Order: sequence, then structure tokens, then C-alpha cells
Amino acid sequence: VQLVQSGAEVKKPGESLKISCRGSGYSFSTYWIGWVRQVPGKGLESVGIISPSDSDTRYSPSFQGRVTISVDKSINTAYLRWSSLKASDTAMYFCVRRPRKDGLPFDSWGQGTLVTVSS
Amino acid sequence: DIEMTQSPSSLSASVGDRVTMTCRASQSVRTYLNWYQQKPGKVPTLLIYSASTLQSGVPSRFTGSGSGTDFTLTITNLQPDDFATYYCQQSYTNSLSFGGGTKVEIK
Repeated sequence: VQLVQSGAEVKKPGESLKISCRGSGYSFSTYWIGWVRQVPGKGLESVGIISPSDSDTRYSPSFQGRVTISVDKSINTAYLRWSSLKASDTAMYFCVRRPRKDGLPFDSWGQGTLVTVSS
Repeated sequence: DIEMTQSPSSLSASVGDRVTMTCRASQSVRTYLNWYQQKPGKVPTLLIYSASTLQSGVPSRFTGSGSGTDFTLTITNLQPDDFATYYCQQSYTNSLSFGGGTKVEIK
């Protein structure tokens, strides 16, 4: 199982951004794919998850309306998009995999994508 | 939204010690509680899920217990490789919220 994320990004406030996560080594559509944020020196925060089979998406309340999670199951890739970045979006973003059975954890993690937002 | 609170936020221990940390949920999560380990600059890894089930490959010195709102992670015979930050996470709701972490440092 591998989750391979796109590279580090440096952006200015107000710019848009889309980062990606490509899954391999497993049946991509049979697991949730999600994103976890970690601000430098701080803890983990769940952003949201998406089901590749039907694009059913669930956002954590703190991130609802602030980011968009999408997926292209034809290329086994999930995305996290911002339409207008803020300095407070500066963080490491991890892609995660979660089995579809209720209650199960994130069992595989990508290497992380560092997003830096600075004027 | 379910809030997860971990205590202590940090602790100091020596190799060979037994350490215990706790995680409390703001409402019942039944046994849908997971523990992750993160070393500095590294990706988190899953240690325990469903409150007490060890992920494949995780040493048996890690033990999880609890149900409802109160959970515990215990490490017996602490090893040098165990100095890290530990996070709990509820998977009862799709907000999948994490606790703030407990950092285990070398005494």
C-alpha cells in the first residue's frame, strides 16, 4: 500500500491551490481517502474524507466550507483544494486511507505535503 | 463535534519504565478509539484501534483499554524507540477528531 502525495508548495495569501494523493497497491475505490492537517509544532486535525466509489464526502466541522476534497478514481487520486489561501493554512497535510467498515482508523498515511502561505 | 482530551500533555520517563496516558471523549465513542505514534519529523503510524486491538507489527508492550469516554494507553518496559508523541482519535463519528497528544520524553 502506498499513498504518494504531491510536493511542497509555497503560495501567497489569496491564491488557490490543489494538492494530490495517489493511492497504489490496493483497491482504491474500496477505502475512504482523507486528509489530516498538522500545523508546525502542533497536533493532528482531521480535515475530511471522501469515498472514491461515489464521491460521498464528509468534512470535519472546522474545515467545512474552507476546503474542497475531490477524487478521480480513474487515476486513483484524491485532491485537497483551497480557493483562497490564508497564512493560517500553513501546515503539513497528510493523505490517509481508512477502511470502509464503520469505526475503523486511518491505517495508512502518505508522506505529507508542506503548504506554506506567506506574503 | 466530539472533543478528545489527552493527559498529561507531556511526561518524562526512563528506559524500562511503565508509562500510562489517558484520553477522554466529550461523549461516548463506545470502543471506536485509536492510538497513533508520531516521532519528530515523521509520519504518524497506527498503534492500536478499536480501543485495544494492536495493529499488525506493533510490539506487545503497547496496551490499550477503555470504553465509552475514558481510555488508556500503557507502554510497559519503555524502549528508546518509544520516545514520541502519542495521539488518540475517535472514529465513532466521521469528524474523526484527535486529542492534543501526549509527548513522552527521556528523563
